[in-house]
Amino acid sequence: LAKTTQPISMDSYEGQEVNITCSHNNIATNDYITWYQQFPSQGPRFIIQGYKTKVTNEVASLFIPADRKSSTLSLPRVSLSDTAVYYCLVGDTGFQKLVFGTGTRLLVSP
Amino acid sequence: NAGVTQTPKFQVLKTGQSMTLQCAQDMNHNSMYWYRQDPGMGLRLIYYSASEGTTDKGEVPNGYNVSRLNKREFSLRLESAAPSQTSVYFCASRDRGSNQPQHFGDGTRLSIL
Repeated sequence: LAKTTQPISMDSYEGQEVNITCSHNNIATNDYITWYQQFPSQGPRFIIQGYKTKVTNEVASLFIPADRKSSTLSLPRVSLSDTAVYYCLVGDTGFQKLVFGTGTRLLVSP
Repeated sequence: NAGVTQTPKFQVLKTGQSMTLQCAQDMNHNSMYWYRQDPGMGLRLIYYSASEGTTDKGEVPNGYNVSRLNKREFSLRLESAAPSQTSVYFCASRDRGSNQPQHFGDGTRLSIL
């Protein structure tokens, strides 16, 4: 299972763009990259997933360089409600075993 | 839109007591998972079930047992609870397919005195 490394915490202000980078040097050919968001007292919630290049949905973008050894979650114009812990995971096509690291604690201030 | 439902939401046990945490999903998912999350930590996989009738150990299975009762339900049992098992327990499910994400319940907060 590929191990991931993320910053422990990040601070931002409302309206700014936030980029959280994740390193996964040992990513395997069949691995996808998935990001989850977790609020206090709740289970993690799926945000976005990708394999290569760029993926965008209604809440975030995911940038993956050609070597796939890292990825960047981009949150446009964050609000206070984006304060949460963000987890980067890589997993094989079966996705039967996912390894959650300690995540990145994002604090958005007014 | 129930998704993944966990019961109970909170529980306090004494050391040595037994307890079964219940999890049910209504999304017809094949795979189900049990995780624990200790304060300030990420989730650690206890057991998972790739399909009805199968279960496999995860990262931290010691002290736990599981039962995949049917496609909907996946229970986690603590036979003799220990203070080290004080944690928040999350159940998740996932649909068949190579890139389907996991869907999580809101957790059971378990304290063992």
